[in-house]
Amino acid sequence: AQTVTQSQPEMSVQEAETVTLSCTYDTSENNYYLFWYKQPPSRQMILVIRQEAYKQQNATENRFSVNFQKAAKSFSLKISDSQLGDTAMYFCALYNNNDMRFGAGTRLTVKP
Amino acid sequence: DTEVTQTPKHLVMGMTNKKSLKCEQHMGHRAMYWYKQKAKKPPELMFVYSYEKLSINESVPSRFSPECPNSSLLNLHLHALQPEDSALYLCASSQGASGSPTLYNEQFFGPGTRLTVL
Repeated sequence: AQTVTQSQPEMSVQEAETVTLSCTYDTSENNYYLFWYKQPPSRQMILVIRQEAYKQQNATENRFSVNFQKAAKSFSLKISDSQLGDTAMYFCALYNNNDMRFGAGTRLTVKP
Repeated sequence: DTEVTQTPKHLVMGMTNKKSLKCEQHMGHRAMYWYKQKAKKPPELMFVYSYEKLSINESVPSRFSPECPNSSLLNLHLHALQPEDSALYLCASSQGASGSPTLYNEQFFGPGTRLTVL
């Protein structure tokens, strides 16, 4: 069975600073997809960034980037120039073989 | 329109009641999903529909019965639920390809229905 581990239940960062959220995973498959989803308080979950395991280049979306280390099975999310609207629960997720697994989540608070 | 809507927002039901949750999207997506999210926990996948056909059922108890009447609508029929079924039920949709898995595509989530079973 595949697993996703987020070891940081809560984190905080000052506005405009940079923060990195950790995620490790375990799967026996070679081809899979990794995601970071954001769930703001009382709002819909939205996709932040997506990485295909066969692509070596790290995915980037504006202020959000990942550090994908396939051999180490690590998939961290870096948020640059943090904004108050980034305050949310962040879930790391892994998909392969019709199985979608989310990590326990990291609650990020951006402080003014 | 990139919105997934869910009704009702809140639902309280007794263990003998029958109720339904509804989900709708008009993005032309052909894959739709039901998730269960307990408080302070991650979402857990329950059902996957691709082209109106159930393609994945994650061993969910039969007291939950999904239905996909057409490509825009997804229902979840509830009957004889238990208090431990109380949770936020999330619907999501994504691009789909007939006969192919779809969960690797970006999913668009609804706001959820908060269900309380007394």
